[in-house]
Amino acid sequence: AQSVAQPEDQVNVAEGNPLTVKCTYSVSGNPYLFWYVQYPNRGLQFLLKYITGDNLVKGSYGFEAEFNKSQTSFHLKKPSALVSDSALYFCAVRDGDSGGYQKVTFGTGTKLQVIP
Amino acid sequence: DSGVTQTPKHLITATGQRVTLRCSPRSGDLSVYWYQQSLDQGLQFLIQYYNGEERAKGNILERFSAQQFPDLHSELNLSSLELGDSALYFCASSPGTTGNQPQHFGDGTRLSIL
Repeated sequence: AQSVAQPEDQVNVAEGNPLTVKCTYSVSGNPYLFWYVQYPNRGLQFLLKYITGDNLVKGSYGFEAEFNKSQTSFHLKKPSALVSDSALYFCAVRDGDSGGYQKVTFGTGTKLQVIP
Repeated sequence: DSGVTQTPKHLITATGQRVTLRCSPRSGDLSVYWYQQSLDQGLQFLIQYYNGEERAKGNILERFSAQQFPDLHSELNLSSLELGDSALYFCASSPGTTGNQPQHFGDGTRLSIL
């Protein structure tokens, strides 16, 4: 079985400071990892993904994430937070080695609050 | 704009009733996914269709059913509605089923049961 954990319900950061939203995962094979963002009254929007290759993945809006296989983590980062980054962030995982279809599992979400 | 269209945006109905939510996937996408988002349950995967065929089931109640039509649009049917079914229902689409492609989400249908 696959699972994903977002240990923080909410992260507060001052505008201009670096931000990190944490995600850890569990799969039996190689992971496919995703980050999505959800703004109020909107659907989830894809930010970035890791399938294979470079452990540092760059995505939309200046976000990046670092894949760490030994720690089974895929933390989302941004060097300088903007007030407009305030939203709900979801990490998602799929077991890339599973045969046939395997659904994507989403985390419970982390609310990011950027304080002016 | 994700390219995924969900109608209606809002739906208010009473317990015991039946409703149908509609989703048009992004052009070219063959997979459609349905999710339920509520405050206490987070984002729950309900069901997935690929090119008209059911591919995976998640935490979908027996009172709920879905289908994908030949033109690839999908409908989620919810019957014998209960207060606890009040939630935001999202549809998402992706080109295939390999799982290495991101899903593109619609803006959801907010269902309120009175």
